[in-house]
Amino acid sequence: DAKTTQPNSMESNEEEPVHLPCNHSTISGTDYIHWYRQLPSQGPEYVIHGLTSNVNNRMASLAIAEDRKSSTLILHRATLRDAAVYYCILRVYNNDMRFGAGTRLTVKP
Amino acid sequence: DGGITQSPKYLFRKEGQNVTLSCEQNLNHDAMYWYRQDPGQGLRLIYYSQIVNDFQKGDIAEGYSVSREKKESFPLTVTSAQKNPTAFYLCASSPDSSYNSPLHFGNGTRLTVT
Repeated sequence: DAKTTQPNSMESNEEEPVHLPCNHSTISGTDYIHWYRQLPSQGPEYVIHGLTSNVNNRMASLAIAEDRKSSTLILHRATLRDAAVYYCILRVYNNDMRFGAGTRLTVKP
Repeated sequence: DGGITQSPKYLFRKEGQNVTLSCEQNLNHDAMYWYRQDPGQGLRLIYYSQIVNDFQKGDIAEGYSVSREKKESFPLTVTSAQKNPTAFYLCASSPDSSYNSPLHFGNGTRLTVT
């Protein structure tokens, strides 16, 4: 199964950009890269996903390396509400979604 | 509003009792999933269902059972065979099982077994 590797934790200052990295060196050509985040005692929330091109939405941007072996979730201006655990997952057709431990983001005021 | 409803939010049971966790979605999604989360850990897949009347085991299916008789419902039974059932249980759904299909999660049921 394709797997992802993320740092255990990261810190950011409020209103500064945050770059959350994810390595997925065994990615296959049709695997989509998905990002979710989870606040304490809540279910994960979908953030963004992409295949090859960089993607933007109202929450974040996703930058995908040309060889697709890594990606970066970009929060353009971190707020205290962005403090959460961020999960990077590969989505494979007809397969389950398997979550790792994610990156715990702390945002300092 | 469309979404996923998990009930109850908190559930307490005595050891040796079976307990069923409810998950209902009104998003018209084909695929549904059950995950377990232990404190400070990521999510681990218990069961998933791509379509009505079909489901597959995930990584930690032992001691759990599911049914998918209706599209909108995917209940999870935690049996007495599950050695360590106390955990946070999350249900999710997606439009289908394709690559491009994000998951939508409920807000979980926290089960405590004593």
